[in-house]
Amino acid sequence: QKEVEQNSGPLSVPEGAIASLNCTYSDRGSQSFFWYRQYSGKSPELIMFIYSNGDKEDGRFTAQLNKASQYVSLLIRDSQPSDSATYLCAASIKAAGNKLTFGGGTRVLVKP
Amino acid sequence: EAGVAQSPRYKIIEKRQSVAFWCNPISGHATLYWYQQILGQGPKLLIQFQNNGVVDDSQLPKDRFSAERLKGVDSTLKIQPAKLEDSAVYLCASSLEYTSYEQYFGPGTRLTVT
Repeated sequence: QKEVEQNSGPLSVPEGAIASLNCTYSDRGSQSFFWYRQYSGKSPELIMFIYSNGDKEDGRFTAQLNKASQYVSLLIRDSQPSDSATYLCAASIKAAGNKLTFGGGTRVLVKP
Repeated sequence: EAGVAQSPRYKIIEKRQSVAFWCNPISGHATLYWYQQILGQGPKLLIQFQNNGVVDDSQLPKDRFSAERLKGVDSTLKIQPAKLEDSAVYLCASSLEYTSYEQYFGPGTRLTVT
């Protein structure tokens, strides 16, 4: 069983719509959760992190965490073609040196 | 502030050959990570250093992979001998401390083993 799971996609959304990405994790000891964006041929860049249940908003991005359901999501509002990328979900455990365990990523395509 | 530097950016070798990758983290960052990212997958942590000590190397194939960070600054990852399944992008990342949330990734080294 993979520790962090994501739908590989592609998730196709029209420009201006909301993209909704989901991630589940198996280790209940996971404390912090991260969303990275990775453009093709580039390295991952951090979009947001969340460690408390509920929502966290940053610009057009909202991360949601539900520890009881072991579920993390990322909403991208007003999607733009420049948002087309692979989005990686990662979980970490502080006691394990904040080692990141990544999911396989969800590819998002925003169509003009 | 300069980012994480890696070299080479691309490397093609034949199986059973050896290869080495170099990483220079952001100045002042105590924690350095090496990840392996196979095409279509998320990055997998190979080894984590805190200064010049190893924090986690549980997923490093120690029969063929080795890494060092002798002076607590730059680091080298070596593969010897390489196998076809080692074809991947090797990403180096650094963070201020191991308790830091944000890891900054370098551009990666794309390795092709033929």
